[in-house]
Amino acid sequence: DQQVKQNSPSLRVQEGRISILNCDYTNSMFDYFLWYKKYPAEGPTFLISISSIKDKNEDGRFTVFLNKSAKHLSLHIVPSQPGDSAVYFCAASANTGNQFYFGTGTSLTVIP
Amino acid sequence: DAGITQSPRHKVTETGTPVTLRCHQTENHRYMYWYRQDPGHGLRLIHYSYGVKDTDKGEVSDGYSVSRSKTEDFLLTLESATSSQTSVYFCATTARGNTEAFFGQGTRLTVV
Repeated sequence: DQQVKQNSPSLRVQEGRISILNCDYTNSMFDYFLWYKKYPAEGPTFLISISSIKDKNEDGRFTVFLNKSAKHLSLHIVPSQPGDSAVYFCAASANTGNQFYFGTGTSLTVIP
Repeated sequence: DAGITQSPRHKVTETGTPVTLRCHQTENHRYMYWYRQDPGHGLRLIHYSYGVKDTDKGEVSDGYSVSRSKTEDFLLTLESATSSQTSVYFCATTARGNTEAFFGQGTRLTVV
């Protein structure tokens, strides 16, 4: 059973606009969340993370929001650039655990 | 960036043959992971290691075995390859079990 879900397989956004990628999780023990970006024929690379003690973390154009009561997190990219076109995975882990659980990914296309 | 090298990068093998994929890291990270990536499933954990000779199963471990005789090397073996094991395999490492992971570039395995 998928513990981390990304319900939108794809997203198309105009350059300069905001991209919002969503992720839901079911396990209330998860307390650390990450976003990875993946280009074709490459391994995923870490983008940004958030701990459950926060509800927002920002790094340049990337902001992750966490809503613990809804078991939902989102990644905002502002402004979106064509180089942001990639597959984005969210992942979650529990502090007591040794592994991450990944979502199925959202393919973002930023149109010039 | 952690130095993670996967070999081979591409492999075609026949059903029923044994296959070993290698992951080598230069960062002295304690934790190492093997994932497979398939359309519609995202990244799924096969096995992971939390130290030399210490390994544990992930969510899709059937048909796979692993070994870690040195900190820097983590081997994934398909004892008797099947077509359902055609996939892209990623190795990852973390310094601690629940921090951001660094991924290798992947191995594309085709079982015919």
